[in-house]
Amino acid sequence: EIVLTQSPGTLSLSPGERATLSCRASQSVSSSYLAWYQQKPGQAPRLLIYGASSRATGIPDRFSGSGSGTDFTLTISRLEPEDFAVYYCQQYGSSPRWTFGQGTKVEIK
Amino acid sequence: EVQLVQSGAEVKKPGESLKISCKGSGYSFTSYWIGWVRQMPGKGLEWMGIIYPGDSDTRYSPSFQGQVTISADKSISTAYLQWSSLKASDTAMYYCARDTEGPFDPWGQGTLVTVSS
Repeated sequence: EIVLTQSPGTLSLSPGERATLSCRASQSVSSSYLAWYQQKPGQAPRLLIYGASSRATGIPDRFSGSGSGTDFTLTISRLEPEDFAVYYCQQYGSSPRWTFGQGTKVEIK
Repeated sequence: EVQLVQSGAEVKKPGESLKISCKGSGYSFTSYWIGWVRQMPGKGLEWMGIIYPGDSDTRYSPSFQGQVTISADKSISTAYLQWSSLKASDTAMYYCARDTEGPFDPWGQGTLVTVSS
């Protein structure tokens, strides 16, 4: 089973700052099968990035994804007030079919 | 618009049975896998299993195999998650989501299940 480890657990930043979130896999992940989600309190997760670097429909270009192999990154170039949330990475594999990272909370400093 | 709409919140006692639903619209329901994800209070996301409504092929995460049953009725574009005997530890938010060959999109709004005596 591939384990995804996200860091940091919590990121305290101010609006307008840059956020860099990390997702490290215990073994190599195909870039085609690495996604990022945003979850706000009381809401379902929302797909942000798929295929490691492709933005989902309607996602602002301040969100970008990069990486390959075992190291992936989600970058928010300039934090807007609505970006403070929890972010999860996800890989799609064989068994179990998907695994999620434990999440990174981006909070207002 | 592609949508998944889940059934409402449930409050149950330990040992009771429960079946929650997820109705798809705006796309060909039989052409995409539907997954179920658990989120315990204050915790992260856990994949439980998936079903292909076209032929009811079902896969379970090893952590949930034998604990829940996933099914679907393609005639009404609805997937289900059921328990035969609930435990307090089943208290969680449960989400369904469409599997688009990897990423989940969209997600249902979630069904809160509370199990308490």
